Amino acid sequence: KAGVTQTPRYLIKTRGQQVTLSCSPISGHRSVSWYQQTPGQGLQFLFEYFSETQRNKGNFPGRFSGRQFSNSRSEMNVSTLELGDSALYLCASSLVGQGRGNTIYFGEGSWLTVV
Amino acid sequence: SQQGEEDPQALSIQEGENATMNCSYKTSINNLQWYRQNSGRGLVHLILIRSNEREKHSGRLRVTLDTSKKSSSLLITASRAADTASYFCATDAGAAGNKLTFGGGTRVLVKP
Repeated sequence: KAGVTQTPRYLIKTRGQQVTLSCSPISGHRSVSWYQQTPGQGLQFLFEYFSETQRNKGNFPGRFSGRQFSNSRSEMNVSTLELGDSALYLCASSLVGQGRGNTIYFGEGSWLTVV
Repeated sequence: SQQGEEDPQALSIQEGENATMNCSYKTSINNLQWYRQNSGRGLVHLILIRSNEREKHSGRLRVTLDTSKKSSSLLITASRAADTASYFCATDAGAAGNKLTFGGGTRVLVKP
């Protein structure tokens, strides 16, 4: 069974550009969430989607957005990139949408560098 | 902001020794999960412990949870060089949905 797959693994963008990251969850998983990891702030929750609906949202500006498709695949977009957006972006998936006893699996992440 | 702290921030041990790291959190939780992260890689799930459980084992890993103290510990027994990684605890507390709040992590170095 394939794990959580994220593409691209590495990318470099220029300030002001926008970027789209893609995530394919484990087969059968309907909940997909995104996290940002930086040396200064650690791992921070961005948002979660379940059945194509955003269920939870973290404290990030509106430049960060996401969506989920009917096949549970998800994308996140960051517009007007800033240097501080350089980070490892991690996607996670889980079988169901409720917290109790719900193992959450992560992908390898997408390394974004903004120059 | 992060849910809590992990202690110690870094740990250096010899192969074969045990490694213990602690995680504290601030609010009531549904579950607590431990993850391992090798440098530059994604998070690997280790153990999930529910709020009504006190201890769980998986291979060389032992996790305890004390909800009265809002703390958890991860013990790795008979450590190996391959255990060198950062270890994170993550809690979820919401009524619905999956939103993990992570600790700052413990960097473990196992010397051969």
